[in-house]
Amino acid sequence: DAKTTQPPSMDCAEGRAANLPCNHSTISGNEYVYWYRQIHSQGPQYIIHGLKNNETNEMASLIITEDRKSSTLILPHATLRDTAVYYCIVRVASSASKIIFGSGTRLSIRP
Amino acid sequence: DAGVIQSPRHEVTEMGQEVTLRCKPISGHNSLFWYRQTMMRGLELLIYFNNNVPIDDSGMPEDRFSAKMPNASFSTLKIQPSEPRDSAVYFCASRPTSGYEQYFGPGTRLTVT
Repeated sequence: DAKTTQPPSMDCAEGRAANLPCNHSTISGNEYVYWYRQIHSQGPQYIIHGLKNNETNEMASLIITEDRKSSTLILPHATLRDTAVYYCIVRVASSASKIIFGSGTRLSIRP
Repeated sequence: DAGVIQSPRHEVTEMGQEVTLRCKPISGHNSLFWYRQTMMRGLELLIYFNNNVPIDDSGMPEDRFSAKMPNASFSTLKIQPSEPRDSAVYFCASRPTSGYEQYFGPGTRLTVT
């Protein structure tokens, strides 16, 4: 699986959009971009994934650049409950494929 | 849906004792994963099963660790004998047959003294 690079920490004001970047310059054509988050003392939570098109669900939006070398997770209206570590992962969408978690980005939402 | 269920939520034991962690995956999911999380090493995959069969156990730290999945609704992770360096939070996750996202349980916080 391709390696990802994320900033170790970020902060955002409550109510504003939180934009979390991820670099995956060695991504292969059959690898998807996945985002998970881990709120303190809880298990990681799946957020969203995509291949090359932008994706949106009830939690977030995922913007993938045209060359697929980077992506941005957008939380449109951040709340204090969005304070967590966010993991960007690239992997082949296969039942035999496993997730390798990196160190992620620690997002702090300030009131 | 109850989600992934893990027990116990907290375990404190003395060095040398046997520890058994339990996991019930979400009904209908056919893949199950065991992870360990520490401050130093982050979140590490220990082993995963597909249709109750172990597929990759390369993350299991040593022979003291063993995992079983006797049926689709139950898995155990056993440490025998336990050591202080095994202290960590152990997560179980399951994945549906038709998807690739994993659903994590609340974790078991293990402390070995």
